[in-house]
Amino acid sequence: AQSVTQPDIHITVSEGASLELRCNYSYGATPYLFWYVQSPGQGLQLLLKYFSGDTLVQGIKGFEAEFKRSQSSFNLRKPSVHWSDAAEYFCAVVVTGGGNKLTFGTGTQLKVEL
Amino acid sequence: ETGVTQSPTHLIKTRGQQVTLRCSSQSGHNTVSWYQQALGQGPQFIFQYYREEENGRGNFPPRFSGLQFPNYSSELNVNALELDDSALYLCASSQGRKGTDTEAFFGQGTRLTVV
Repeated sequence: AQSVTQPDIHITVSEGASLELRCNYSYGATPYLFWYVQSPGQGLQLLLKYFSGDTLVQGIKGFEAEFKRSQSSFNLRKPSVHWSDAAEYFCAVVVTGGGNKLTFGTGTQLKVEL
Repeated sequence: ETGVTQSPTHLIKTRGQQVTLRCSSQSGHNTVSWYQQALGQGPQFIFQYYREEENGRGNFPPRFSGLQFPNYSSELNVNALELDDSALYLCASSQGRKGTDTEAFFGQGTRLTVV
């Protein structure tokens, strides 16, 4: 069965600093990959997704992620963090042909210091 | 275009009771998936409905059941509630043929507390 690992439970960055959130997956083939953001008490908003093609994916709110097949990773990045980016971030995978049944990591809580 | 809406937003139930949570899928979407998110955890897949039929189930006991209606809205029912059922329940809808992978849109969730 596929699995997703987000090794950082909490990350604190200063506003304006760069950000990288790590995600590793375990799956025999290349899955579809997603990053979601969740504000306190809210549902999930899709930041970006990778299905195929260019391994550098651009998303909303200035986020990007890079798929590295050799490392089974899909790390999320942002060059300059804003205070409003404080939230919880989830990496997720779908087995191709699995019909949108997402497997999520445990999440990374991002705190932004002003 | 309306998004995914869930009701109620918050709910408190007593252990052993039964609960029904509701989800209205986004307009034009034929697939609804339900997830359980315990505090401090990532969402866990419960089951999915495609055109009124169950299309996959996660590792949840049979007391978790569901329905999808002809208008593609859905219900999640949980019988014999346990304290560990306390969680945020998320509904996600998507559009596509069975087994295809497209973007899923999430509702705001129902916060269930079992006391």
